[in-house]
Amino acid sequence: QQQVKQSPQSLIVQKGGIPIINCAYENTAFDYFPWYQQFPGKGPALLIAIRPDVSEKKEGRFTISFNKSAKQFSLHIMDSQPGDSATYFCAASNSGGYQKVTFGTGTKLQVIP
Amino acid sequence: GAGVSQSPSNKVTEKGKDVELRCDPISGHTALYWYRQRLGQGLEFLIYFQGNSAPDKSGLPSDRFSAERTGESVSTLTIQRTQQEDSAVYLCASSLGHSGANVLTFGAGSRLTVL
Repeated sequence: QQQVKQSPQSLIVQKGGIPIINCAYENTAFDYFPWYQQFPGKGPALLIAIRPDVSEKKEGRFTISFNKSAKQFSLHIMDSQPGDSATYFCAASNSGGYQKVTFGTGTKLQVIP
Repeated sequence: GAGVSQSPSNKVTEKGKDVELRCDPISGHTALYWYRQRLGQGLEFLIYFQGNSAPDKSGLPSDRFSAERTGESVSTLTIQRTQQEDSAVYLCASSLGHSGANVLTFGAGSRLTVL
């Protein structure tokens, strides 16, 4: 019940394309859904996050879509650039009590010039 | 400090030796996490600290792994009698640890290679 399932495992798009990464969760107690971006040799860094009281959140070229009834959320990258090439992790946690963060398995994105 | 600091950044050791990995969290962050990341793989949770207690050690893979934390400061992950399968990047993260947005700030990791 603590799992967060992420797909696809890898993704190649051309510059300007819109890669979409999907995640699904089971634990209805989760109420905070961040995405982390990791470049080679670096630790993951928070990219964007959403709470289940909204269905979409946009920050620059990055958008999270959230479907509470389906227990799914996804990351869209508009007008993707070669500099967006990285590994992306979705995650989930709950705000109350022990705040263990459960991560998805990651998606390696390559944006071809 | 300004970020999460981990040392050493790289460690090469021989099978059977003990290693210690250190994490300096952001000042004021009460929560601290250790994760393991094998090459090309996801983030494997190891242990979570709130202050100097560890309410969740469920991810430690064997009794060769242990971790401790001094107050709300430095944490050390110790791996005894290292095995080749322990080779990975060990990531430390810290957060404010109170209710609300649980934003983790990661260090750059300690890359461990066991020969």
